[in-house]
Amino acid sequence: QVQLVESGGGVVQPGRSLRLSCAASGFTFSSYGMHWVRQAPGKGLEWVAVIWYDGSNKYYADSVKGRFTISRDNSKNTLYLQMNSLRAEDTAVYYCARVRCSGGSCSDAFDIWGQGTMVTVSS
Amino acid sequence: DIQMTQSPSSLSASVGDRVTITCQASQDISNYLNWYQQKPGKAPKLLIYDASNLETGVPSRFSGSGSGTDFTFTISSLQPEDIATYYCQQYDNLPLFGQGTKLEIK
Repeated sequence: QVQLVESGGGVVQPGRSLRLSCAASGFTFSSYGMHWVRQAPGKGLEWVAVIWYDGSNKYYADSVKGRFTISRDNSKNTLYLQMNSLRAEDTAVYYCARVRCSGGSCSDAFDIWGQGTMVTVSS
Repeated sequence: DIQMTQSPSSLSASVGDRVTITCQASQDISNYLNWYQQKPGKAPKLLIYDASNLETGVPSRFSGSGSGTDFTFTISSLQPEDIATYYCQQYDNLPLFGQGTKLEIK
């Protein structure tokens, strides 16, 4: 079935780096734009980054610009989020999400989500 | 930058009630507005896309309306399993979520 599975979360000290992965299955990964969305404990949803289906365009939230890098390997059906210079305020559950496509047209409605991976930034 | 104002932040209603949540954008976003349901410890679930389109498999008691700057999400008859937090999300520019509405049973 259509599935996204995140991995790579954990506890990391401020200023250090972490790379998250999102393994896709059950659909043609290379045809879909992908996003990262995060949720701090007890807080709402915050969009983090997007990458187009072919990796040609990437955009970031101001809160992570210059520190986080989104990438993908379509040969491995995997999405990544490289997180550098981590801060306490980056502590959150990180979700990968797929854009909704229908009839050859796609929009930034997130129809498939992973289960999330927790990142805790603490000394 | 576009700002999204979602209200109320919390809501208590009885089973069978009609429930309405609103989302207001700071500028015209056409119909680029989606609604999600999130239950505790779970990933969000897409309910409504492009302001008024029901996602496949979502019960018909859920509906959305609006365009431009003002949007409404409605549950026509609240069921116990609808207890969750609901979020609007615009995508006229980069995606942005509303603050969320926590729905509880009275």
